[in-house]
Amino acid sequence: NAGVTQTPKFQVLKTGQSMTLQCAQDMNHEYMSWYRQDPGMGLRLIHYSVGAGITDQGEVPNGYNVSRSTTEDFPLRLLSAAPSQTSVYFCASSYQGQGGLSGANVLTFGAGSRLTVL
Amino acid sequence: ELKVEQNPLFLSMQEGKNYTIYCNYSTTSDRLYWYRQDPGKSLESLFVLLSNGAVKQEGRLMASLDTKARLSTLHITAAVHDLSATYFCAVAARGSNYKLTFGKGTLLTVNP
Repeated sequence: NAGVTQTPKFQVLKTGQSMTLQCAQDMNHEYMSWYRQDPGMGLRLIHYSVGAGITDQGEVPNGYNVSRSTTEDFPLRLLSAAPSQTSVYFCASSYQGQGGLSGANVLTFGAGSRLTVL
Repeated sequence: ELKVEQNPLFLSMQEGKNYTIYCNYSTTSDRLYWYRQDPGKSLESLFVLLSNGAVKQEGRLMASLDTKARLSTLHITAAVHDLSATYFCAVAARGSNYKLTFGKGTLLTVNP
């Protein structure tokens, strides 16, 4: 049971390049999300998904795309990287569980991906 | 828009002392989380508080929730160096179970 796996761990891009951050979970969690963490800002929600085929925007979605074709995978795409997207990105998953509260949506986080855009 | 404020943002304390981190939030919620992050690492869950008056304890950490005051506290008892980390609270607004808003975090340093 690997939990939440993110790749790559580190990436350097030039302005205007595109890339995809991969996220996979093996816990059959219905909910997956992407956060970015910047110094002094806490974590901010980029996009989230409540199940395969369903995605929605979070607090800071501009410049990022997501898709959820399977329960396990939730990639984050940067279409044209900008220096403002330099950050540490965390993928997380959770489940609600039976009866509404048993899983309580406690997030399990991946190890993070550190992205630098030059 | 849900706002979550933690204070203090920086906390330096001596081993053996007690202290409290506060987490205020701006809209109705009945679901609050505390996470811990070690330097350069990911976040791990500490507590989830699901109702008014909820109290959870694990070792030297105790968390509580007052939904009427929109306030959660994380109390540290007799701090030890291993508790040095950044602590985040996160809140789900009522009706938005999946969208958590995080506070900016409290960087706790416990000195020998």
